[in-house]
Amino acid sequence: GQQLNQSPQSMFIQEGEDVSMNCTSSSIFNTWLWYKQDPGEGPVLLIALYKAGELTSNGRLTAQFGITRKDSFLNISASIPSDVGIYFCAGQNTNAGKSTFGDGTTLTVKP
Amino acid sequence: GAVVSQHPSRVICKSGTSVKIECRSLDFQATTMFWYRQFPKKSLMLMATSNEGSKATYEQGVEKDKFLINHASLTLSTLTVTSAHPEDSSFYICSARSLTGYEETQYFGPGTRLLVL
Repeated sequence: GQQLNQSPQSMFIQEGEDVSMNCTSSSIFNTWLWYKQDPGEGPVLLIALYKAGELTSNGRLTAQFGITRKDSFLNISASIPSDVGIYFCAGQNTNAGKSTFGDGTTLTVKP
Repeated sequence: GAVVSQHPSRVICKSGTSVKIECRSLDFQATTMFWYRQFPKKSLMLMATSNEGSKATYEQGVEKDKFLINHASLTLSTLTVTSAHPEDSSFYICSARSLTGYEETQYFGPGTRLLVL
């Protein structure tokens, strides 16, 4: 089946720093989704991308849908302690809406 | 964003009993819902796709008689873990598919922590 390679696996940064993470795939996706999951909670949708090349922002978060449709990145600017969590990318390319998830990036922000 | 609820949030049961988990889309209709299982520090593992009014589609390796799924309405899907065993202990998360025009998204519930003793 399809697989997503999400990197980095984990990040330890200082408060105020910018963060970048990305996902790549050998297959094309029509939709890229980025989620954040806090411990013991379900993933929360951060940004949804529907067009190749699309660049979308949500507050301090910016995500782009790669032009080849095989990759996407998520940037977080001026990180704060509440940004701590696990970030997942997900790709969709079927009408059934099934998503393929990356393995997640665990973000730790030091005050 | 859209709201999806799950009930219960936590459940502890004895080995051999059955446990039902509910997933509801509160402010939109979802013809399709998904059930995931997540192990500690791991990604989400899709168990099955729940389709309103029809049989669920199970992923390879997931026992359909073990994990019964019912999607009786456009806002409710249930997952029943039958004859639960300790190895079924996990974090179960549902999601509901939202389709607006050609744009579709999945919204997740808050998850259910199952502990089988």
